[in-house]
Amino acid sequence: KQEVTQIPAALSVPEGENLVLNCSFTDSAIYNLQWFRQDPGKGLTSLLLIQSSQREQTSGRLNASLDKSSGRSTLYIAASQPGDSATYLCAPDDGGATNKLIFGTGTLLAVQP
Amino acid sequence: DTEVTQTPKHLVMGMTNKKSLKCEQHMGHRAMYWYKQKAKKPPELMFVYSYEKLSINESVPSRFSPECPNSSLLNLHLHALQPEDSALYLCASSQRLAGPYNEQFFGPGTRLTVL
Repeated sequence: KQEVTQIPAALSVPEGENLVLNCSFTDSAIYNLQWFRQDPGKGLTSLLLIQSSQREQTSGRLNASLDKSSGRSTLYIAASQPGDSATYLCAPDDGGATNKLIFGTGTLLAVQP
Repeated sequence: DTEVTQTPKHLVMGMTNKKSLKCEQHMGHRAMYWYKQKAKKPPELMFVYSYEKLSINESVPSRFSPECPNSSLLNLHLHALQPEDSALYLCASSQRLAGPYNEQFFGPGTRLTVL
């Protein structure tokens, strides 16, 4: 059974810092891993999807890496801004016939102006 | 356009009411999902439809009844809910049920309060 852990649970940084969010998962037999952002009381915004054969994906100031064999993914945010404040969720799938996403408990990020 | 829309945004209902949540997407996706999210917890999968057929029911109580009338529309019918069913209900869609590069896109959610 896929289990997902995200570290740290909460993070507060000053504006402009580069930061790394960590995600580890127990079952490496995945198709994809998605990173999402969620603002309080809102839906999930898909940030990046990494397919299992890829090592990294980039979108603007975001870079996600995947090491499938060790069950780890990181989300790197460059030059953080107050608007980046949100909860970040990592979700590998279960690699099965239904691509069921297994969510971590998230990292709550606060970027101080 | 990667938009999934959900109505209503907020819903308050009594335990004897019947109400419905609606979700719509026009991306040509053939898989659609309902999730439930309690405060400070990650989303939990409830139901998955593929090509308008129910593929997954995560042992959800029968007071929640999903329906997929066509490839763009997903409903969740609610009846005789309990206060502990109060949560944010999220709809999502993806191109297909499984496989590589199968990105899920989420709607803004319906905040449900059961009195």
